[in-house]
Amino acid sequence: NSKVIQTPRYLVKGQGQKAKMRCIPEKGHPVVFWYQQNKNNEFKFLINFQNQEVLQQIDMTEKRFSAECPSNSPCSLEIQSSEAGDSALYLCASSHRANTEVFFGKGTRLTVV
Amino acid sequence: GDSVTQTEGLVTLTKGLPVMLNCTYQTTYSPFLFWYVQHLNEAPKLLLKSSTDNKRTEHQGFYATLHKSSSSFHLQKSSVQLSDSALYFCALSEGSFNKLTFGAGTRLAVCP
Repeated sequence: NSKVIQTPRYLVKGQGQKAKMRCIPEKGHPVVFWYQQNKNNEFKFLINFQNQEVLQQIDMTEKRFSAECPSNSPCSLEIQSSEAGDSALYLCASSHRANTEVFFGKGTRLTVV
Repeated sequence: GDSVTQTEGLVTLTKGLPVMLNCTYQTTYSPFLFWYVQHLNEAPKLLLKSSTDNKRTEHQGFYATLHKSSSSFHLQKSSVQLSDSALYFCALSEGSFNKLTFGAGTRLAVCP
């Protein structure tokens, strides 16, 4: 069973509304990832952290997406102004170190109506 | 940049038959390949992983061999079961940051 905990499992927002989802990585895993899985099941990498520091992120030119992994708190991914095209499954994952297994949570399914 | 290609979008088979799901990749790094399986409404779970050239790796009846000469990591099973029905993703690890690049996925549907 996945030890990466994501909340909420389902999120419904209106266009223009803020959407926030949280992730508790597996204990002892310093690296956290966020992926977006669209309706065609395609994965899109969004951002990853090592401890609280951003390692890599997509070019969020619209700046609608933001993420953080504060110490002693859940990681979070926030969409400032949701759009219909943001409807997707947002997967959080964690790993112990590079080139090892990445453990996924069950995801937050965002629907923007 | 890195890329992973899975050529089959849907594979439908009768229980007991063998299966091979194709995966090829492109990378400038030393490749580290993974197969993940995702059942309906479940988290993707690791099925196999490898970075060793020409060495077969096996788990839960599935097996794959990384061939660097052909940039391939095809997933195989000798006899599929109904419970194998799921989405299968091939993924490539990108260097030290561990970011995974996924293929488009293959849906395996096993019929009685």
